[in-house]
Amino acid sequence: SQQGEEDPQALSIQEGENATMNCSYKTSINNLQWYRQNSGRGLVHLILIRSNEREKHSGRLRVTLDTSKKSSSLLITASRAADTASYFCATPWVGGSQGNLIFGKGTKLSVKP
Amino acid sequence: DAGVTQSPTHLIKTRGQQVTLRCSPKSGHDTVSWYQQALGQGPQFIFQYYEEEERQRGNFPDRFSGHQFPNYSSELNVNALLLGDSALYLCASSPAGGNSPLHFGNGTRLTVT
Repeated sequence: SQQGEEDPQALSIQEGENATMNCSYKTSINNLQWYRQNSGRGLVHLILIRSNEREKHSGRLRVTLDTSKKSSSLLITASRAADTASYFCATPWVGGSQGNLIFGKGTKLSVKP
Repeated sequence: DAGVTQSPTHLIKTRGQQVTLRCSPKSGHDTVSWYQQALGQGPQFIFQYYEEEERQRGNFPDRFSGHQFPNYSSELNVNALLLGDSALYLCASSPAGGNSPLHFGNGTRLTVT
C-alpha cells in the first residue's frame, strides 16, 4: 500500500502550546499535502510542499519534508482551541492524476482552552 | 464565489437499494474527484471525472459508478447497497493540470441499514 501514516493518532494539548504531527509515506513523491478536517465536515487544504523543498511556512504552520526518510512533519505554533480538528497528510498516487491522493488515517488534535 | 457543494447532506438507505449523490464543483474547476471516508479513517479515492469521462479509478467495485455533466457537476451512484457502504462521501474539485490542491465539499453522510 502507498498509504501514508500519521503519528500520533491522537494528540491533546493546552492552548498556547505547539503541536507536532508526523507523516510517513512509502513511495517517491513530487509533492506532499496537509489537510484539516473539522468533525464530520469536508477537508480544507493547508499547505503543499514539493519534493525539492525542505521546509515551508504558512502563518502558524510549518511543514518539513525529508524525502530520504520519506517523512514529513506539521508544526502548529501557539495553538488555539479553534485548531481542534483532524489533520491528514496526502500524497499523489504514483502514476495517478492530480486529484488522486492517498490519505493517511489522520491525527486527531484536541486543543483545550 | 461558491465552493464545492454536495447534496444531500444526509441520507439513510436500506441494503440492496441504490443511491445517487450530487456535487457541484468550485467555480472555474473542471475536474471532480470522489472519495469515501469511513468513520475514523482517511478518505479513499473512488474515481475522478474530467471532460465528462472517468479518468482514473480507485479500488472500488463496479457498483460504484459516476457521471460528469457538461457544466462540470458530477454524480456518484452506488447500486446494491451494503452495510459497509455507510460512510461520508466527499467530492473534491480542482482545475485541470498542475499540482493544484483539492477543494472539498462538506460531504454526504450515507447510512445503510
